[in-house]
Amino acid sequence: KAGVTQTPRYLIKTRGQQVTLSCSPISGHRSVSWYQQTPGQGLQFLFEYFSETQRNKGNFPGRFSGRQFSNSRSEMNVSTLELGDSALYLCASSLGGQGAISPLHFGNGTRLTVT
Amino acid sequence: AQTVTQSQPEMSVQEAETVTLSCTYDTSESDYYLFWYKQPPSRQMILVIRQEAYKQQNATENRFSVNFQKAAKSFSLKISDSQLGDAAMYFCAYRGYSGYALNFGKGTSLLVTP
Repeated sequence: KAGVTQTPRYLIKTRGQQVTLSCSPISGHRSVSWYQQTPGQGLQFLFEYFSETQRNKGNFPGRFSGRQFSNSRSEMNVSTLELGDSALYLCASSLGGQGAISPLHFGNGTRLTVT
Repeated sequence: AQTVTQSQPEMSVQEAETVTLSCTYDTSESDYYLFWYKQPPSRQMILVIRQEAYKQQNATENRFSVNFQKAAKSFSLKISDSQLGDAAMYFCAYRGYSGYALNFGKGTSLLVTP
């Protein structure tokens, strides 16, 4: 079974631009979560989608948004990029149930650099 | 909000030896889940082991085992017979029973020396 696929692996953008990251979950997984990883703040939860609905959202400004399609693929968008948005963005998929019976499987991440 | 603390930024172990990584957490919930994830240089987070808080028995996965102390809110990871491939960042994570998000610690960088 193919794992979680994130594209692209690397991105370089200029401050003020917007960016879209893509995530394809493991086949059969209906939940997709996004995390931001930085050296200073560590791993922080952005949001989680299940069956095209956002079920949970972390403490990030409205410039960060996402969506999920009917095939469970998800996209994350960041508008008006700031230097502090430079980070590794990780996507994770799961079957979607609550608890440990539905552990998260992570992709390799997209490294975003804002200049 | 639940917080997860990993007090050891770096640890070192010799091949074939045993190492223990520490993790404490703060929560007011009685039911929850705890995880250890490994992140090698490839960046992919890999689930190492998980523990349900309602289970008293400590989880074990081959060379990896945990010491779960619910009252002390402690969840340490023991790696036995360490191998060079175990070198990575290790993250402890908490997830509420009805939650969908993982709260991660800052991580412990494990170095394995020959």
